[in-house]
Amino acid sequence: EAQVTQNPRYLITVTGKKLTVTCSQNMNHEYMSWYRQDPGLGLRQIYYSMNVEVTDKGDVPEGYKVSRKEKRNFPLILESPSPNQTSLYFCASSGWGNQPQHFGDGTRLSIL
Amino acid sequence: QKEVEQNSGPLSVPEGAIASLNCTYSDRGSQSFFWYRQYSGKSPELIMSIYSNGDKEDGRFTAQLNKASQYVSLLIRDSQPSDSATYLCAVIGAGKSTFGDGTTLTVKP
Repeated sequence: EAQVTQNPRYLITVTGKKLTVTCSQNMNHEYMSWYRQDPGLGLRQIYYSMNVEVTDKGDVPEGYKVSRKEKRNFPLILESPSPNQTSLYFCASSGWGNQPQHFGDGTRLSIL
Repeated sequence: QKEVEQNSGPLSVPEGAIASLNCTYSDRGSQSFFWYRQYSGKSPELIMSIYSNGDKEDGRFTAQLNKASQYVSLLIRDSQPSDSATYLCAVIGAGKSTFGDGTTLTVKP
């Protein structure tokens, strides 16, 4: 089954404790992206990657890191999480040429 | 000005009516346009994609694109209560993906 898998689905943690949210897709997609969704602010792009070892900032990259060492994986790293990063996060992937994105089920992060 | 703006909601229509959702975008270089449906707490689900000017129909859904006016719309005919959700307009250009804030639609039985 074609899918984008995010882990964990839910996480409650404390300020300053490094965390990683994993994202994996099995569709051989070139393009992968991370979004956060907050009430009243819609989906905002954090980082995206157009292929292995190619990443670029989206609209809200501050406080986040990503890497794309393999085509299927695109982890989101919060080196020193803060409460303003409490949000619902989505990973998405798509094929080349501005194709529609397939979304993971989301990760709800709470940072205390 | 936001890069992608959707008509403010919430929008409420009776069952069987036509729901009309609108979206404008600011980047003239945008190449791909999508409508997603999102139920509360769930991930966005693709409904329609449109790449060239004109209308595109898929079942009860019709997407319309006018690049000169930088406008894209979604019509839902014969609206059903199961169509009640938030609808997101997405615009992609040169890899960057921008979503509108969404319009919440309620279809009343």
